[in-house]
Amino acid sequence: AQSVSQHNHHVILSEAASLELGCNYSYGGTVNLFWYVQYPGQHLQLLLKYFSGDPLVKGIKGFEAEFIKSKFSFNLRKPSVQWSDTAEYFCAVNMKGNTPLVFGKGTRLSVIA
Amino acid sequence: ETGVTQTPRHLVMGMTNKKSLKCEQHLGHNAMYWYKQSAKKPLELMFVYSLEERVENNSVPSRFSPECPNSSHLFLHLHTLQPEDSALYLCASSQVGALAEAFFGQGTRLTVV
Repeated sequence: AQSVSQHNHHVILSEAASLELGCNYSYGGTVNLFWYVQYPGQHLQLLLKYFSGDPLVKGIKGFEAEFIKSKFSFNLRKPSVQWSDTAEYFCAVNMKGNTPLVFGKGTRLSVIA
Repeated sequence: ETGVTQTPRHLVMGMTNKKSLKCEQHLGHNAMYWYKQSAKKPLELMFVYSLEERVENNSVPSRFSPECPNSSHLFLHLHTLQPEDSALYLCASSQVGALAEAFFGQGTRLTVV
């Protein structure tokens, strides 16, 4: 069965620090990869996605993620975080063919001034 | 507003009650999902309906009963729940066959007392 691992449960950063959140998945086939964000009290919303092509994907709000097939990884990055990036971040995977998304446990990011 | 609306937003119910959660999507999608979000656990897929037929049921207890009367509406009927069923229940929709992500509602916060 597919699984998604997010290495950090809670990350605390100061404003302007750089961010990298890890995500690894266990599936040998062709996959679609997603990062979702959930701001406090709000719904899950898509941050970025990878289906094919350039493994470096750029999303909203200055986020990007890099798909490294050999490492089964899809890490999320942002060069300089802001207080408003405080949220929970979820990595998700599905197989080609629009199977349901499988999510990681999430990483809570707290950005302090 | 995501195009996926869930009601009620909050629900408190006793263990002997029967209640239903409702989800409606206005995106023209043909697949709908119920996920359960508990503290410190991954988002758990409960049910999938694709083209109004149930295609996946991840061994969810029978006290949860889904219903999908048409492609725009999804219900989760609840009866004789346990306190450990307290969680955020999320509905999502997507378009089968397209390279599309899932769109989520804001969830129903369920507390079983």
